[in-house]
Amino acid sequence: KQEVTQIPAALSVPEGENLVLNCSFTDSAIYNLQWFRQDPGKGLTSLLLIQSSQREQTSGRLNASLDKSSGRSTLYIAASQPGDSATYLCAANTGGFKTIFGAGTRLFVKA
Amino acid sequence: DAGVTQSPTHLIKTRGQQVTLRCSPKSGHDTVSWYQQALGQGPQFIFQYYEEEERQRGNFPDRFSGHQFPNYSSELNVNALLLGDSALYLCASRLQGAKNIQYFGAGTRLSVL
Repeated sequence: KQEVTQIPAALSVPEGENLVLNCSFTDSAIYNLQWFRQDPGKGLTSLLLIQSSQREQTSGRLNASLDKSSGRSTLYIAASQPGDSATYLCAANTGGFKTIFGAGTRLFVKA
Repeated sequence: DAGVTQSPTHLIKTRGQQVTLRCSPKSGHDTVSWYQQALGQGPQFIFQYYEEEERQRGNFPDRFSGHQFPNYSSELNVNALLLGDSALYLCASRLQGAKNIQYFGAGTRLSVL
């Protein structure tokens, strides 16, 4: 049974700091791993998708890595801004039928 | 090109009532999944529909049922509502295929009083 864990549960950083969010999964047989952003009371915005054959993906100030063998993914945010404040969710796609989510990391970037 | 659309955006019901939530997938998508997200938690998979059939189901009771129509839109029905059913219900669509990306709607916020 696939389980996804995110650490830390919450994070507060000053503006401009670089930060790393961690995601671990128990079953390495994933098709892809996806990072989402969720603003309070809102739906999910996809940030990055890493296929199982890939090691990393980049979009602007965001970089996500994937290490299937160790069951880990990281989301790196460079030069954080107050507008980055949100909950970040990682999700493992276990073969197309269902996606298993972590509980998320709540990020607060202080101006 | 409209993305995934869900209706209604907010809903208030009382215990024991029944509710129907609706989802229109992104254009060209044929697979719809439903998720329940309780406050402070990640989304939990409810079930997935493809070709008008339920393909896979998460750990939810039979009070949760669904339907997919020929135009690929979908409904989620919940009977005999409990206080614990209060949550954000998210719909996601994608084109059938294990590696294809899912797109999520903005969700329906259900409050059960």
